Amino acid sequence: QQQVKQSPQSLIVQKGGISIINCAYENTAFDYFPWYQQFPGKGPALLIAIRPDVSEKKEGRFTISFNKSAKQFSLHIMDSQPGDSATYFCAASPAGGTSYGKLTFGQGTILTVHP
Amino acid sequence: DAGVIQSPRHEVTEMGQEVTLRCKPISGHDYLFWYRQTMMRGLELLIYFNNNVPIDDSGMPEDRFSAKMPNASFSTLKIQPSEPRDSAVYFCASRRQGVGEQYFGPGTRLTVT
Repeated sequence: QQQVKQSPQSLIVQKGGISIINCAYENTAFDYFPWYQQFPGKGPALLIAIRPDVSEKKEGRFTISFNKSAKQFSLHIMDSQPGDSATYFCAASPAGGTSYGKLTFGQGTILTVHP
Repeated sequence: DAGVIQSPRHEVTEMGQEVTLRCKPISGHDYLFWYRQTMMRGLELLIYFNNNVPIDDSGMPEDRFSAKMPNASFSTLKIQPSEPRDSAVYFCASRRQGVGEQYFGPGTRLTVT
């Protein structure tokens, strides 16, 4: 019940295209859903996060869509650029109390954007 | 701020040796997390602290692993004795109370031969 399932494992997109990464969870106690971006040799860095009180959150070219009933959320990268090539992780945690931020990560998606 | 600082950045050791990884969280952050990243298992949470107190160590794989946080600015993850299957990148992360974002360090790449 603690799993977060992420797909696809890898994704190749042309410059200017849309990249879509999907995640699904089972634990209904999860209440905070961040996406992290990781470049080779670096630690993950927060890209964007959402709480289930909204169905969509947009920051620049990055959008999270959230479907609470289906227990699914996705990351959309519009106008994908070669600089977006990285590994993307979805994650989930309970919100509030000392468990807030106890992240369960998806397996990661390696995104390659061709110029 | 310098961000989360980890040392060493790379560690190569022989099986059976003791390994100590170090982390300095961002000043003012109340939570500290230790993660392990491998190709097979992805990013796994090992243990986390709140105000220097271990809250959840359910991810620590075996008794060979131990972690301490003697003060707000320093934590260690120790493996004794080390085994080849411990080879991984170990990340430390910290966050502020009430804020979800965790800030990750650059990681320590551990190779046990």
